[in-house]
Amino acid sequence: SAVISQKPSRDICQRGTSLTIQCQVDSQVTMMFWYRQQPGQSLTLIATANQGSEATYESGFVIDKFPISRPNLTFSTLTVSNMSPEDSSIYLCSAVSSGETQYFGPGTRLLVL
Amino acid sequence: AQKITQTQPGMFVQEKEAVTLDCTYDTSDQSYGLFWYKQPSSGEMIFLIYQGSYDEQNATEGRYSLNFQKARKSANLVISASQLGDSAMYFCAMREYISNFGNEKLTFGTGTRLTIIP
Repeated sequence: SAVISQKPSRDICQRGTSLTIQCQVDSQVTMMFWYRQQPGQSLTLIATANQGSEATYESGFVIDKFPISRPNLTFSTLTVSNMSPEDSSIYLCSAVSSGETQYFGPGTRLLVL
Repeated sequence: AQKITQTQPGMFVQEKEAVTLDCTYDTSDQSYGLFWYKQPSSGEMIFLIYQGSYDEQNATEGRYSLNFQKARKSANLVISASQLGDSAMYFCAMREYISNFGNEKLTFGTGTRLTIIP
């Protein structure tokens, strides 16, 4: 199984600022994803991070707010831009190789004041 | 329309008893997969068990088993001999294949908070 790490594990940010979250997988994977989990809610897919091309965003999420990079098969970043208190959530990275189990990173707890 | 439905927001179970967490799903695809994840208070998502739509046998992983009833579109998680450490949120998720290139996405249910009572 893939081992996934995320940095930072948590952060407290001021509104209007941006935060970049890093996701590192210990092996090459086919697909990487970013999810948001708002307080007391389930997980919602933000986007699929595509290696070498623009991410594929789900309805309700846009590149200007959540720019994503995936420069290689093991690493991706998610930036939460121009943050507001409504962006306070857990952000989770996941990864999968074809037909295998989708594994998750430990998550990044973000609080926006 | 809700693709994954978990109708039990919370459950309380006595330690050592078995527990069944319900999950129903909605899809017209022939090929799909169903996952169960556990999320303790630390926030990490821990993979528990997987069932593919073409798998004829119910999946089992240690104390976890998945009661897959394809015609009823249900994929209930059964935990045998529950332990205090089983207290957590449990999410059912469905894997849908987006293209012929193996692209996929997961859709999650709303979760069930399981509390094991000593």
